[in-house]
Amino acid sequence: NAGVTQTPKFRVLKTGQSMTLLCAQDMNHEYMYWYRQDPGMGLRLIHYSVGEGTTAKGEVPDGYNVSRLKKQNFLLGLESAAPSQTSVYFCASSYRTGGIGNTGELFFGEGSRLTVL
Amino acid sequence: TQLLEQSPQFLSIQEGENLTVYCNSSSVFSSLQWYRQEPGEGPVLLVTVVTGGEVKKLKRLTFQFGDARKDSSLHITAAQPGDTGLYLCAGAGGNTPLVFGKGTRLSVIA
Repeated sequence: NAGVTQTPKFRVLKTGQSMTLLCAQDMNHEYMYWYRQDPGMGLRLIHYSVGEGTTAKGEVPDGYNVSRLKKQNFLLGLESAAPSQTSVYFCASSYRTGGIGNTGELFFGEGSRLTVL
Repeated sequence: TQLLEQSPQFLSIQEGENLTVYCNSSSVFSSLQWYRQEPGEGPVLLVTVVTGGEVKKLKRLTFQFGDARKDSSLHITAAQPGDTGLYLCAGAGGNTPLVFGKGTRLSVIA
């Protein structure tokens, strides 16, 4: 059972370039999330999705776009990368329980380390 | 906006010592989760506490949820090098996804 898989695991971009991070989960979870993790800042939510075809903004959505065309996939896009987007990105998924505010355990991928020069 | 403050931010102790990590907020949460993250990996859930005053034990780890459901603590007895990692608390409630604290980075030296 693969769980949550993120690709790529490492990427170096130049300022202004675009890229997409792919997250795939095989647990049939309704909810999916994209977080970024920076030193001393913990996990900050970028965007999330409560189901196929739906997305919502999190705490730090600027500069990112997302799509959830299939239930098992959640894509995070950077249209014009900036050095401030250098970070480790984590995708997570969870079952639908009592609503997005009462979700159960989050299952995380191994992370994607992005460096923007 | 719900905020979770974790303390201390960093902790370095000798093997065999005891320690406590705190997670505090001014907001009430319906439940609180604790995760541990090792280098190069994603966080993994340790425990979820739901009821005010609840105490859960996981081997040498003891988790407590405050009576008012605004705070929580993690106590490790006789720490071992394998306990090294980043400990994150996360609060659930309301109409928003989990809110994470900034974490406590623990280093246990043999």
